[in-house]
Amino acid sequence: GEDVEQSLFLSVREGDSSVINCTYTDSSSTYLYWYKQEPGAGLQLLTYIFSNMDMKQDQRLTVLLNKKDKHLSLRIADTQTGDSAIYFCAEMASGTYKYIFGTGTRLKVLA
Amino acid sequence: GAVVSQHPSRVICKSGTSVKIECRSLDFQATTMFWYRQFPKKSLMLMATSNEGSKATYEQGVEKDKFLINHASLTLSTLTVTSAHPEDSSFYICSAHTSGGESTEAFFGQGTRLTVV
Repeated sequence: GEDVEQSLFLSVREGDSSVINCTYTDSSSTYLYWYKQEPGAGLQLLTYIFSNMDMKQDQRLTVLLNKKDKHLSLRIADTQTGDSAIYFCAEMASGTYKYIFGTGTRLKVLA
Repeated sequence: GAVVSQHPSRVICKSGTSVKIECRSLDFQATTMFWYRQFPKKSLMLMATSNEGSKATYEQGVEKDKFLINHASLTLSTLTVTSAHPEDSSFYICSAHTSGGESTEAFFGQGTRLTVV
Protein backbone atom coordinates (compact mmCIF):
# COMPACT_ATOMS: atom_id res chain seq x y z
CA GLY A 1 0.00 0.00 0.00
CA GLU A 2 0.92 3.65 -0.21
CA ASP A 3 0.21 5.23 3.15
CA VAL A 4 2.10 8.19 4.47
CA GLU A 5 1.40 9.03 8.07
CA GLN A 6 2.11 12.02 10.24
CA SER A 7 1.06 13.14 13.67
CA LEU A 8 -1.81 15.60 13.41
CA PHE A 9 -0.73 18.37 15.74
CA LEU A 10 2.41 19.91 17.18
CA SER A 11 2.65 22.90 19.46
CA VAL A 12 5.94 24.60 20.33
CA ARG A 13 7.07 27.84 21.88
CA GLU A 14 8.68 30.52 19.77
CA GLY A 15 12.44 30.03 19.63
CA ASP A 16 12.27 26.30 20.32
CA SER A 17 12.95 23.62 17.74
CA SER A 18 10.10 21.76 16.06
CA VAL A 19 10.37 18.20 14.85
CA ILE A 20 7.71 16.87 12.50
CA ASN A 21 7.76 13.17 11.78
CA CYS A 22 6.54 11.15 8.83
CA THR A 23 6.44 7.45 8.05
CA TYR A 24 5.96 6.07 4.59
CA THR A 25 5.56 2.63 3.11
CA ASP A 26 6.80 2.78 -0.48
CA SER A 27 10.45 1.81 -0.32
CA SER A 28 10.92 2.61 -4.01
CA SER A 29 10.39 6.32 -3.46
CA THR A 30 13.08 8.32 -5.16
CA TYR A 31 12.45 11.69 -3.62
CA LEU A 32 10.80 12.74 -0.39
CA TYR A 33 9.50 16.24 0.12
CA TRP A 34 8.30 18.61 2.76
CA TYR A 35 5.63 21.15 1.87
CA LYS A 36 4.13 23.98 3.88
CA GLN A 37 0.53 25.09 3.53
CA GLU A 38 -0.72 28.28 5.10
CA PRO A 39 -4.48 28.76 5.62
CA GLY A 40 -6.39 28.94 2.34
CA ALA A 41 -3.22 28.79 0.30
CA GLY A 42 -1.52 26.31 -1.98
CA LEU A 43 1.58 24.33 -1.24
CA GLN A 44 5.04 25.75 -0.81
CA LEU A 45 7.98 23.43 -1.27
CA LEU A 46 10.27 23.72 1.72
CA THR A 47 12.88 21.13 0.99
CA TYR A 48 13.40 17.68 -0.40
CA ILE A 49 15.79 14.79 0.04
CA PHE A 50 16.94 12.17 -2.40
CA SER A 51 16.48 8.62 -1.21
CA ASN A 52 20.20 7.86 -1.08
CA MET A 53 20.81 10.65 1.44
CA ASP A 54 20.53 10.43 5.21
CA MET A 55 20.42 14.09 6.03
CA LYS A 56 20.00 17.44 4.37
CA GLN A 57 20.33 20.84 5.98
CA ASP A 58 18.98 24.04 4.50
CA GLN A 59 19.25 27.08 6.78
CA ARG A 60 16.82 26.47 9.67
CA LEU A 61 15.57 23.22 8.18
CA THR A 62 17.11 19.80 8.71
CA VAL A 63 15.71 16.71 7.06
CA LEU A 64 16.61 13.27 8.35
CA LEU A 65 15.84 10.12 6.42
CA ASN A 66 15.95 6.61 7.84
CA LYS A 67 15.32 4.34 4.89
CA LYS A 68 15.44 1.18 6.96
CA ASP A 69 12.55 2.36 9.12
CA LYS A 70 10.95 4.41 6.29
CA HIS A 71 10.99 7.40 8.58
CA LEU A 72 11.41 11.01 7.56
CA SER A 73 11.61 14.01 9.84
CA LEU A 74 11.76 17.76 9.48
CA ARG A 75 13.41 19.83 12.14
CA ILE A 76 12.82 23.57 12.22
CA ALA A 77 15.34 25.42 14.34
CA ASP A 78 14.40 28.63 16.17
CA THR A 79 10.73 28.24 15.29
CA GLN A 80 8.92 31.50 14.64
CA THR A 81 5.22 32.42 14.70
CA GLY A 82 5.36 32.67 10.91
CA ASP A 83 6.15 28.96 10.81
CA SER A 84 2.63 28.17 12.02
CA ALA A 85 1.05 26.18 9.18
CA ILE A 86 0.29 22.66 8.06
CA TYR A 87 3.30 20.63 6.98
CA PHE A 88 2.97 17.78 4.55
CA CYS A 89 5.53 15.17 3.74
CA ALA A 90 5.23 13.59 0.32
CA GLU A 91 6.89 10.78 -1.53
CA MET A 92 7.34 10.36 -5.22
CA ALA A 93 7.71 6.80 -6.38
CA SER A 94 10.44 5.90 -8.79
CA GLY A 95 9.48 6.28 -12.43
CA THR A 96 6.43 8.41 -11.82
CA TYR A 97 5.61 11.99 -10.96
CA LYS A 98 2.77 10.94 -8.68
CA TYR A 99 2.97 12.32 -5.20
CA ILE A 100 1.56 10.55 -2.17
CA PHE A 101 0.99 13.06 0.57
CA GLY A 102 1.05 12.50 4.28
CA THR A 103 -1.90 13.37 6.44
CA GLY A 104 -0.36 16.70 7.39
CA THR A 105 0.86 18.08 10.73
CA ARG A 106 -0.60 21.31 12.01
CA LEU A 107 2.18 23.26 13.70
CA LYS A 108 1.19 25.95 16.14
CA VAL A 109 3.88 28.27 17.44
CA LEU A 110 3.13 29.98 20.72
CA ALA A 111 4.57 33.44 21.33
CA GLY B 1 11.41 28.69 -9.56
CA ALA B 2 8.78 27.71 -12.08
CA VAL B 3 5.31 29.19 -11.72
CA VAL B 4 1.99 27.42 -11.94
CA SER B 5 -1.07 29.60 -12.02
CA GLN B 6 -4.49 28.30 -11.10
CA HIS B 7 -7.71 30.14 -11.80
CA PRO B 8 -10.09 30.96 -10.24
CA SER B 9 -8.89 30.98 -6.66
CA ARG B 10 -12.43 30.89 -5.35
CA VAL B 11 -15.72 30.02 -6.98
CA ILE B 12 -19.25 29.63 -5.72
CA CYS B 13 -21.74 27.89 -7.95
CA LYS B 14 -25.24 26.54 -7.78
CA SER B 15 -26.01 22.85 -7.62
CA GLY B 16 -26.35 21.33 -11.04
CA THR B 17 -24.07 23.76 -12.81
CA SER B 18 -20.56 23.08 -14.13
CA VAL B 19 -17.37 24.79 -13.09
CA LYS B 20 -14.09 24.93 -14.97
CA ILE B 21 -10.76 25.34 -13.22
CA GLU B 22 -7.64 26.22 -15.17
CA CYS B 23 -4.07 25.28 -14.41
CA ARG B 24 -1.31 26.99 -16.37
CA SER B 25 2.42 26.55 -16.32
CA LEU B 26 3.64 30.08 -16.96
CA ASP B 27 7.30 29.68 -17.75
CA PHE B 28 7.78 26.05 -18.66
CA GLN B 29 6.09 23.32 -20.61
CA ALA B 30 4.40 20.51 -18.77
CA THR B 31 3.45 17.34 -20.58
CA THR B 32 1.95 16.04 -17.37
CA MET B 33 -0.09 17.84 -14.77
CA PHE B 34 -1.83 16.43 -11.72
CA TRP B 35 -5.08 17.32 -10.05
CA TYR B 36 -5.55 16.92 -6.32
CA ARG B 37 -8.47 17.40 -4.02
CA GLN B 38 -8.18 18.39 -0.40
CA PHE B 39 -11.01 17.89 2.04
CA PRO B 40 -11.19 20.12 5.12
CA LYS B 41 -8.41 19.28 7.55
CA LYS B 42 -7.35 16.37 5.38
CA SER B 43 -4.47 15.57 3.14
CA LEU B 44 -4.33 15.98 -0.60
CA MET B 45 -5.71 13.11 -2.59
CA LEU B 46 -4.59 12.59 -6.16
CA MET B 47 -7.57 12.63 -8.48
CA ALA B 48 -6.07 12.22 -11.90
CA THR B 49 -3.04 12.60 -14.10
CA SER B 50 -3.53 14.97 -16.99
CA ASN B 51 -1.57 14.07 -20.12
CA GLU B 52 -1.07 16.54 -22.93
CA GLY B 53 -2.75 15.34 -26.08
CA SER B 54 -4.28 12.22 -24.59
CA LYS B 55 -6.87 11.09 -22.11
CA ALA B 56 -6.40 11.68 -18.42
CA THR B 57 -5.66 8.81 -16.09
CA TYR B 58 -8.01 8.74 -13.13
CA GLU B 59 -7.33 7.32 -9.71
CA GLN B 60 -9.57 4.63 -8.34
CA GLY B 61 -12.87 5.97 -7.11
CA VAL B 62 -12.76 9.21 -9.09
CA GLU B 63 -15.63 9.60 -11.55
CA LYS B 64 -14.19 10.54 -14.91
CA ASP B 65 -17.54 11.70 -16.25
CA LYS B 66 -17.95 14.07 -13.35
CA PHE B 67 -14.45 15.47 -13.30
CA LEU B 68 -13.55 16.19 -16.90
CA ILE B 69 -9.92 16.89 -17.60
CA ASN B 70 -8.57 18.42 -20.76
CA HIS B 71 -4.88 19.02 -21.44
CA ALA B 72 -4.99 20.71 -24.81
CA SER B 73 -1.56 22.32 -24.74
CA LEU B 74 1.77 21.99 -22.99
CA THR B 75 0.91 24.86 -20.67
CA LEU B 76 -2.75 24.39 -19.86
CA SER B 77 -4.85 21.75 -18.18
CA THR B 78 -8.47 22.24 -17.19
CA LEU B 79 -10.65 20.44 -14.69
CA THR B 80 -14.39 20.76 -15.15
CA VAL B 81 -16.65 19.69 -12.32
CA THR B 82 -19.89 18.78 -14.06
CA SER B 83 -23.32 18.91 -12.48
CA ALA B 84 -21.78 20.06 -9.24
CA HIS B 85 -23.27 19.04 -5.92
CA PRO B 86 -22.56 20.34 -2.43
CA GLU B 87 -20.39 17.28 -1.70
CA ASP B 88 -18.08 18.44 -4.50
CA SER B 89 -17.21 21.48 -2.40
CA SER B 90 -13.51 21.22 -1.74
CA PHE B 91 -10.09 22.70 -2.34
CA TYR B 92 -8.69 21.63 -5.69
CA ILE B 93 -4.97 21.96 -6.46
CA CYS B 94 -3.04 21.26 -9.61
CA SER B 95 0.64 20.58 -10.03
CA ALA B 96 3.04 20.50 -12.92
CA HIS B 97 6.52 19.16 -13.05
CA THR B 98 9.85 20.15 -14.42
CA SER B 99 12.75 17.82 -14.66
CA GLY B 100 16.48 18.21 -14.85
CA GLY B 101 18.83 19.88 -12.46
CA GLU B 102 19.18 18.44 -9.02
CA SER B 103 15.72 17.08 -8.58
CA THR B 104 12.41 16.45 -10.13
CA GLU B 105 10.21 19.02 -8.55
CA ALA B 106 6.51 19.66 -8.59
CA PHE B 107 5.15 23.16 -8.64
CA PHE B 108 1.70 23.67 -7.28
CA GLY B 109 -0.97 26.11 -8.21
CA GLN B 110 -2.50 28.35 -5.57
CA GLY B 111 -5.54 26.13 -5.35
CA THR B 112 -9.22 26.72 -6.07
CA ARG B 113 -11.78 26.68 -3.32
CA LEU B 114 -15.05 25.47 -4.77
CA THR B 115 -18.27 25.97 -2.86
CA VAL B 116 -21.43 24.45 -4.28
CA VAL B 117 -24.63 25.87 -2.83
